[in-house]
Amino acid sequence: DAMVIQNPRYQVTQFGKPVTLSCSQTLNHNVMYWYQQKSSQAPKLLFHYYDKDFNNEADTPDNFQSRRPNTSFCFLDIRSPGLGDAAMYLCATSRDRAIEKLFFGSGTQLSVL
Amino acid sequence: AQKVTQAQTEISVVEKEDVTLDCVYETRDTTYYLFWYKQPPSGELVFLIRRNSFDEQNEISGRYSWNFQKSTSSFNFTITASQVVDSAVYFCALSVVYNTDKLIFGTGTRLQVFP
Repeated sequence: DAMVIQNPRYQVTQFGKPVTLSCSQTLNHNVMYWYQQKSSQAPKLLFHYYDKDFNNEADTPDNFQSRRPNTSFCFLDIRSPGLGDAAMYLCATSRDRAIEKLFFGSGTQLSVL
Repeated sequence: AQKVTQAQTEISVVEKEDVTLDCVYETRDTTYYLFWYKQPPSGELVFLIRRNSFDEQNEISGRYSWNFQKSTSSFNFTITASQVVDSAVYFCALSVVYNTDKLIFGTGTRLQVFP
């Protein structure tokens, strides 16, 4: 049974049209992460929540926002998607910190037209 | 600064061959953790192993084995008697204790196992 669930699996949006990607987890983990992975590249950490504390990576564009309304859910909002934002977006969780094992969802492949 | 290098971008082998995926890391920290993750075509990264910097003992798990050598800053992964199901992208990753929220990935090695 999937423990980190991302919806939708594929998302198509228009240039400049806001889009929200969702992630839920059944593991009751404290930490939830959002990674961006472009084709043939390593996953790049955008930000993460440790419980309710939001931690943004210094190089994450302001265009990317996140919400975590409760332990189970986390959302990635892209306010004005550009063509360069087309990528796979991976959600992951860990019990405590990244020194522990991360559990990943299957990702959402975002296309920007 | 921390960095993970996977110099092999793509490897192709025939089933039953052994294959080694290389990983070289850089960090000035004395306490850190190394990982390998597998990303099959379905997209979900799957955890394979975690090693801390104080444990250089090699590990074997079925057909998988890992060789950790601090002297060369390497954490190589060997698949013995490869199978078609091993076809995936494999990522080596590093996490350091002072910045324990961040997992630094290498660029990955795509392994294709042909029947």
